[in-house]
Order: sequence, then structure tokens, then C-alpha cells
Amino acid sequence: DTEVTQTPKHLVMGMTNKKSLKCEQHMGHRAMYWYKQKAKKPPELMFVYSYEKLSINESVPSRFSPECPNSSLLNLHLHALQPEDSALYLCASSRVDGSSYNEQFFGPGTRLTVL
Amino acid sequence: DQQVKQNSPSLSVQEGRISILNCDYTNSMFDYFLWYKKYPAEGPTFLISISSIKDKNEDGRFTVFLNKSAKHLSLHIVPSQPGDSAVYFCAASERGFGNEKLTFGTGTRLTIIP
Repeated sequence: DTEVTQTPKHLVMGMTNKKSLKCEQHMGHRAMYWYKQKAKKPPELMFVYSYEKLSINESVPSRFSPECPNSSLLNLHLHALQPEDSALYLCASSRVDGSSYNEQFFGPGTRLTVL
Repeated sequence: DQQVKQNSPSLSVQEGRISILNCDYTNSMFDYFLWYKKYPAEGPTFLISISSIKDKNEDGRFTVFLNKSAKHLSLHIVPSQPGDSAVYFCAASERGFGNEKLTFGTGTRLTIIP
């Protein structure tokens, strides 16, 4: 299995809702990532988990709460979002290996619309 | 501060000819460079990468060239095929060993004309 899966594919939520995005990989990768991509812009890193521990938080607002329950799963919990948070949310994974270069593999993304 | 730049937002190339996509970077700490291809409503797909100890890496129709002194890399696709029509992002990281940030360029939309 060489893919990263993300659910749901599309999500529409109100500003008072609580929802979660899910990401899964079975490649044995020990680093997992959340990126956000706005229209006509490049992906921007939000969070990095390494060996199930949060290692990078790019100053993301607390209304986004990541969680890594095990080495295959990554969640992004959403609460009290703003319309400007509407974007494509991308999950990625990679090996963590100090002796070789490792590319990140991306999932198809969740298209989030906040009303 | 855009540390990775793709100055051509779009490029059109005849099928069968060479496509050349360019990327410039400003951060001298970048050590590992990647090219991703993205179709609409899909995630980026990894194409090819190069580390700073090399100046060329080839994989089938795709070749990436790195000029460290000029802080410039390019992706060559030969021959170009209609399925190559997509948005191409270059990306860079400081180590490349995993567990780190990828910084993406703004993307170039490549259109292959049959």
C-alpha cells in the first residue's frame, strides 16, 4: 500500500460546528504532516508529527487541534473556524531516516468550506 | 518572504517537445529539492528530487538540474505528453531526512498542446 488516504473528501461546516479530518497511511512512515492550501497558492505547513509526537507547529491558531493516535493515523480537529479557514487541507507522510533523503507523499486532500 | 519562487505562472509546450520549468530559491540552508505535480482536486504527486551534493538527477522522461551557486533548479520533461498537463510545484527543505518543513514555490501551470 503506497497511498495516503483522507476523509472526508469535502466538508461544509458552520462557524460554531466541531468536525474532524482524518488521514491514514500504511507505508510504515513515522512522520506525518498537515498542510493548508488556499486557491492559487502553494501548500503551507501547519503541523508535523514524528513518532506520534508533535514536533513542529507553525504558529497555527488553537481552533485547529492535531492528534496522532497511532503511527498510521493523523487527525485534525476543527472548532469555531472562520470563513477564511476555507481551503484544501492536505495530509502527507514520510520516512524519518537520518541517513537518506525522504520525500513526502501526499493524500488527495479535504476541501473544507466554512460558512 | 517567498523563499522558493517559480516566476512563470504558466507554460505551453507542443506535444513531443521539451518542457523546462524553472525554480529559484533564496535560503542557502536548503539542502534537498523536490518537484511535485498536481492535478485539480488531487494532492501533489512526487516526481523527482535532488540533493545539494548533486547537480543532476534523471528518472525516465524527467531530469532535474541544480545550480547551487545561482540558487536555481529546473525540471526538464522530454518528450512532453498530454498527461503532463498539470500544475508543477518545486519544493525545498533544509535536511531532507523527514520530520521537517517543505517550502513550496507558487507553481507553474504546464499545458501540453496536442
